[in-house]
Amino acid sequence: QSVLTQPPSVSAAPGQKVTISCSGSSSNIGKNYVSWYQQLPGTAPKLLIYDNNKRPSGIPDRFSGSKSGKSATLGITGLQTGDEADYYCETWDSTLNAVVFGGGTKLTVL
Amino acid sequence: QVQLQQSGPGLVKPSQTLSLTCAISGGSVYSNSATWNWIRQSPSRGLEWLGRTHYRSKWYNNFAVSVRSRITISPDTSKNQFSLQLNSVTPEDTAVYYCAAASGAYGDVAFDIWGQGTMVTVSS
Repeated sequence: QSVLTQPPSVSAAPGQKVTISCSGSSSNIGKNYVSWYQQLPGTAPKLLIYDNNKRPSGIPDRFSGSKSGKSATLGITGLQTGDEADYYCETWDSTLNAVVFGGGTKLTVL
Repeated sequence: QVQLQQSGPGLVKPSQTLSLTCAISGGSVYSNSATWNWIRQSPSRGLEWLGRTHYRSKWYNNFAVSVRSRITISPDTSKNQFSLQLNSVTPEDTAVYYCAAASGAYGDVAFDIWGQGTMVTVSS
């Protein structure tokens, strides 16, 4: 059981928008920054979003992040087949004194 | 820019010690902004952070509760690398192991640099 809860899968058509939720608690998302990662098959995760809503250089603005209370959301607009991947949220847990990940969400672009 | 190169065996016998090394290029293990982490991934456990070491005038470590009694993460300053040792392994420790760094450019726990991953199987 992951500390952060994500839906196992989401799907949408090319060109559409999708959101992926990440639910936590007051000790993790509630008080710390959230990051999001994209993992393509057979590769290491790649940082997409940090500090809740910021994009590292090179990440297109089709990817966005937000946080409200104990939950965070990743948004992807203008879906492309190349966006098919697993997406993970991550943050620090101040009670566990540890990094925690969500269980991951598989995005299918139909 | 910083790159990480992992090395170590892909097969470990039950009850023995899993040992992996992560060599740092383009940066220093003494960085006052980076943290050096080990993360593993398996179908049953997903992405699981194991622990980290980092230097802020002295060395600090943090470890996941699930492995705290069995894990060591050490910097090797002479070789500019850091290592993972996980003792008393069982088949449940079978996973892809990644070293990863939060360079500090994006915060303490945003992992912007990853090693290539090492598939480690625990089996006799």
